[in-house]
Amino acid sequence: AQSVTQPDIHITVSEGASLELRCNYSYGATPYLFWYVQSPGQGLQLLLKYFSGDTLVQGIKGFEAEFKRSQSSFNLRKPSVHWSDAAEYFCAVGANYQLIWGAGTKLIIKP
Amino acid sequence: GAGVSQSPRYKVAKRGQDVALRCDPISGHVSLFWYQQALGQGPEFLTYFQNEAQLDKSGLPSDRFFAERPEGSVSTLKIQRTQQEDSAVYLCASSSRGAGTEQYFGPGTRLTVT
Repeated sequence: AQSVTQPDIHITVSEGASLELRCNYSYGATPYLFWYVQSPGQGLQLLLKYFSGDTLVQGIKGFEAEFKRSQSSFNLRKPSVHWSDAAEYFCAVGANYQLIWGAGTKLIIKP
Repeated sequence: GAGVSQSPRYKVAKRGQDVALRCDPISGHVSLFWYQQALGQGPEFLTYFQNEAQLDKSGLPSDRFFAERPEGSVSTLKIQRTQQEDSAVYLCASSSRGAGTEQYFGPGTRLTVT
């Protein structure tokens, strides 16, 4: 069965530090992979997506993610976080028309 | 351009009441999705429309939940005889095509059943 695992419930980083959020998936075919961000009281905003081709994808707000088929991973990275990045981040895999979601990682920024 | 809008943003219902949640997708988007998001969880799929056809309703938790999209644009999610376990944020999303395309989400409706 398709599934998405985000092993970290929350992560705390200092402002200006680098960030990596982990995502592992289980899917039988070549997946469509997404990262979304959800700020308090807001809807989900697409950060980036992977469909095919270059395994390193660039997104909005300075985020990038790397698809590693051998590790079934799609980790999200940012070289230097800003206080405004504090939010919940969700990884999702596209299974036909559905999105299968991870439980999310809450990012906390230390001043 | 306008994004996905949902109304109301907040709804408080007494147990046993019926509620109706509205979703206005992005104009021209053929696919529309409803999700339920419990506190501290990722969204859970409820149902999927392609134009006016409801192609998948396998995620609806019970027969108290009903969704429609009669003219292929606006959609309504109706919950009859609400129960406390229905308390959640209900998210609507639309996309321009079906499989593999990104979904654009509305702000959600937070339903609290007392």
